Amino acid sequence: DAKTTQPTSMDCAEGRAANLPCNHSTISGNEYVYWYRQIHSQGPQYIIHGLKNNETNEMASLIITEDRKSSTLILPHATLRDTAVYYCIVRTGYSGGGADGLTFGKGTHLIIQP
Amino acid sequence: DTAVSQTPKYLVTQMGNDKSIKCEQNLGHDTMYWYKQDSKKFLKIMFSYNNKELIINETVPNRFSPKSPDKAHLNLHINSLELGDSAVYFCASSPTSQIHLRETQYFGPGTRLLVL
Repeated sequence: DAKTTQPTSMDCAEGRAANLPCNHSTISGNEYVYWYRQIHSQGPQYIIHGLKNNETNEMASLIITEDRKSSTLILPHATLRDTAVYYCIVRTGYSGGGADGLTFGKGTHLIIQP
Repeated sequence: DTAVSQTPKYLVTQMGNDKSIKCEQNLGHDTMYWYKQDSKKFLKIMFSYNNKELIINETVPNRFSPKSPDKAHLNLHINSLELGDSAVYFCASSPTSQIHLRETQYFGPGTRLLVL
């Protein structure tokens, strides 16, 4: 799986859009980009994933550059409850027997300021 | 309508004891996982399991063993507990209908294990 690089921490004002970058310059053609977050004392939560097209769901939008070497997770109207560690993970997905699980890096600690 | 549940939420025990943590999912997923999050907050895969195959992270001591009575349950049994086993353990599950969806995992709330 391709390595990802994220800023250690970011601040965002409540009500504004939070834009979380992720670099994955060694991503290969069959690898997807997944985003998870972990709110303090809770289990990780799946947010969104994509291959090459931009994606949007009820939680966030995912913008993937045309060369797929980087992506941005956008929380359109951040609230205090969005304060969490956000993880960008690049995976091929399972291709044969059992899956071998996700590899979580250090992520970005997003702090939403009131 | 909890998707992935774990019991107990907290577990305090003595070194050398044997303990189990239970996990249940009602999402109809075929694949389940156990992760360990240590004091430095690093989250690492321990096992993944479906009804066909168990994949074990080679760094996991053989004192840890997953047990699956049925597709909706994957319990974690730990023998001869050590101080270093203190951590938060998360169970997760994912669908297998399409390859890329396997990585959309749903996590439980975690079990906080403290070994004294």
